[in-house]
Amino acid sequence: GQQLNQSPQSMFIQEGEDVSMNCTSSSIFNTWLWYKQDPGEGPVLLIALYKAGELTSNGRLTAQFGITRKDSFLNISASIPSDVGIYFCAGQGNAGNMLTFGGGTRLMVKP
Amino acid sequence: KAGVTQTPRYLIKTRGQQVTLSCSPISGHRSVSWYQQTPGQGLQFLFEYFSETQRNKGNFPGRFSGRQFSNSRSEMNVSTLELGDSALYLCASSFRTGWTGELFFGEGSRLTVL
Repeated sequence: GQQLNQSPQSMFIQEGEDVSMNCTSSSIFNTWLWYKQDPGEGPVLLIALYKAGELTSNGRLTAQFGITRKDSFLNISASIPSDVGIYFCAGQGNAGNMLTFGGGTRLMVKP
Repeated sequence: KAGVTQTPRYLIKTRGQQVTLSCSPISGHRSVSWYQQTPGQGLQFLFEYFSETQRNKGNFPGRFSGRQFSNSRSEMNVSTLELGDSALYLCASSFRTGWTGELFFGEGSRLTVL
């Protein structure tokens, strides 16, 4: 099935470093969502973006909706050990609540 | 406010059997979507129900089906199970369907097919 191109696939960083990940698509989306998933759990919504060019923050997280509506990025500042997990981007188009997901970015933080 | 509740959390079936998974959405949410998550294919959309009607369907065979009840609770069924159906099945609820939907996921039902 279709997936968004999410990169990087994995990151191993030092605690306190900033992190950046992004998603690109060949299709236009109306909404971009960023989720975090811990082992054995369902994805948890971090940030929702509704408008092209929108920049939204949630604590140490900042995400942007690309002006072409085909991409989005997520930044995490001053990473901490509990940031460990898999981060997914998801795009929502015109088909109801159907989301198209990226392949995920596995983040590992070294204390 | 209780989150999305999925039952059972874990189950093991054998090939050829069928399985039914249940999802109770967040109170007041009327849209329920189902997703399959596997290591190889990632998160794939199965279908969405809103007001007891299927609104959208992903690219899965007819063995995968679902329904929604008047209280917004939803079930999905997989018949004639295959080994490749082993996956984490996630349910997500939203207040409504449409482009402004923020989806909230349950913890999932992990199905193993032997």
